[in-house]
Amino acid sequence: GAGVSQSPSNKVTEKGKDVELRCDPISGHTALYWYRQSLGQGLEFLIYFQGNSAPDKSGLPSDRFSAERTGGSVSTLTIQRTQQEDSAVYLCASSLNGGATLGNEQFFGPGTRLTVL
Amino acid sequence: AQTVTQSQPEMSVQEAETVTLSCTYDTSESNYYLFWYKQPPSRQMILVIRQEAYKQQNATENRFSVNFQKAAKSFSLKISDSQLGDTAMYFCAFMYGGSQGNLIFGKGTKLSVKP
Repeated sequence: GAGVSQSPSNKVTEKGKDVELRCDPISGHTALYWYRQSLGQGLEFLIYFQGNSAPDKSGLPSDRFSAERTGGSVSTLTIQRTQQEDSAVYLCASSLNGGATLGNEQFFGPGTRLTVL
Repeated sequence: AQTVTQSQPEMSVQEAETVTLSCTYDTSESNYYLFWYKQPPSRQMILVIRQEAYKQQNATENRFSVNFQKAAKSFSLKISDSQLGDTAMYFCAFMYGGSQGNLIFGKGTKLSVKP
């Protein structure tokens, strides 16, 4: 079946502009995660969605970052008033039922490389 | 707080040889999983192997195996018979019970397999 897809693959924007990044998880996966991968760093957790529950936003670095997940499927990560330090690869992952089962494999998308000029 | 440390930013190995990537972690949790993920230049993260903390037997997946030392909080990855396609970033990651299932990652090791 289809894996996790993300769009766009690359995004170049100017400082101060808003951007939207999209993630399509694997069909039937109730859990969805967003991570940020800055140059030379590991992946940093941003936000977690599980079914219809309120998302865990504990990893969002500032209030310029927000995300939503419509219909329990597609998710959009929005960054408002982008800054140069927001430049990174943003990865989305989905799993069958998230934290409900410890050790669930997360399946990752190819990421969106965001460059803020 | 949970932390994962990969002390080798870069490593190289000759094709067909064996290489070991190091990972240590810090936690007070007793129920957790450890993972190794591979990220080739395509950026697609791929699960290589995972280990449940309660299992004493080291996990193996074909040419990939781990050396899990729970008391030392060490989780190294051994790649046998290295292949050119193994060239990638390798990330060690940790997931603990009571979390939302999110992964805590190390900074990665860049592995180059040379012909």
